[in-house]
Amino acid sequence: NAGVTQTPKFQVLKTGQSMTLQCAQDMNHEYMSWYRQDPGMGLRLIHYSVGAGITDQGEVPNGYNVSRSTTEDFPLRLLSAAPSQTSVYFCASSSTGAYGYTFGSGTRLTVV
Amino acid sequence: GNSVTQMEGPVTLSEEAFLTINCTYTATGYPSLFWYVQYPGEGLQLLLKATKADDKGSNKGFEATYRKETTSFHLEKGSVQVSDSAVYFCALSELAGNTPLVFGKGTRLSVIA
Repeated sequence: NAGVTQTPKFQVLKTGQSMTLQCAQDMNHEYMSWYRQDPGMGLRLIHYSVGAGITDQGEVPNGYNVSRSTTEDFPLRLLSAAPSQTSVYFCASSSTGAYGYTFGSGTRLTVV
Repeated sequence: GNSVTQMEGPVTLSEEAFLTINCTYTATGYPSLFWYVQYPGEGLQLLLKATKADDKGSNKGFEATYRKETTSFHLEKGSVQVSDSAVYFCALSELAGNTPLVFGKGTRLSVIA
C-alpha cells in the first residue's frame, strides 16, 4: 500500500519555466489537497479537490493550476515559476476530510 | 473563517520533562481537531485527533482534549524523549462540509539528553 506518492522529491527550476508536480494516491480517497510549507508560515493551502472533476482554490492559489480527472491523481502545475514559489510542497488525501489526511513525503522546489 | 493559533517555538526541553504545546482555534461550525508531527526531512504524520467536544485523543504518550468552552486543543506529554524532537502542527477540519485542513504555524520541539 503506497499511500500518497509525490514526484519528484527535488526540483530546481529557472524563473519562467513551467512544470507539474505529481501526486497519486491508491486509497480511493475523494478529498485531496496541495499545501506549501515555508519557514515560519506553517502549511498554506493552494488548491483542493473533493472528487474527480471538482477543484477549488485555497489560501494561496496564484501561479498554480490543478485538475482532477481521476480519483487517484491530483497534479499541481506551475505556470511560470517565480523565486517566490521556492518552497516545500505537500499533497494530502482523505476519505472524509473530518477524520484526518494522509500526507505525501513532499517535493522540495527551488526556483532560481 | 476558520483559523488555528499555536504557541510560537522553538521549545527546548530536557529528556523526561513535561511538554505542553498550546493550541486554540476559531471555527464557524463543529470542527474535528488534529495534531500532526513532522520529523526532520519527512512529511506530516497524524499524531492524534478528536472529533467532538470533551474527546481525548492519545497516541505514543501524547494526549490532547477537545475543549469547546475554551476553543482549545493543547498537546501534552508527561515525559519527552530525544526521539520526540520534531515540529508539531495543530489543525482543524470542519466535520460537515468539504473543508480541507487548516493549520497552525507549527511549534518546533527540541529535546536534549
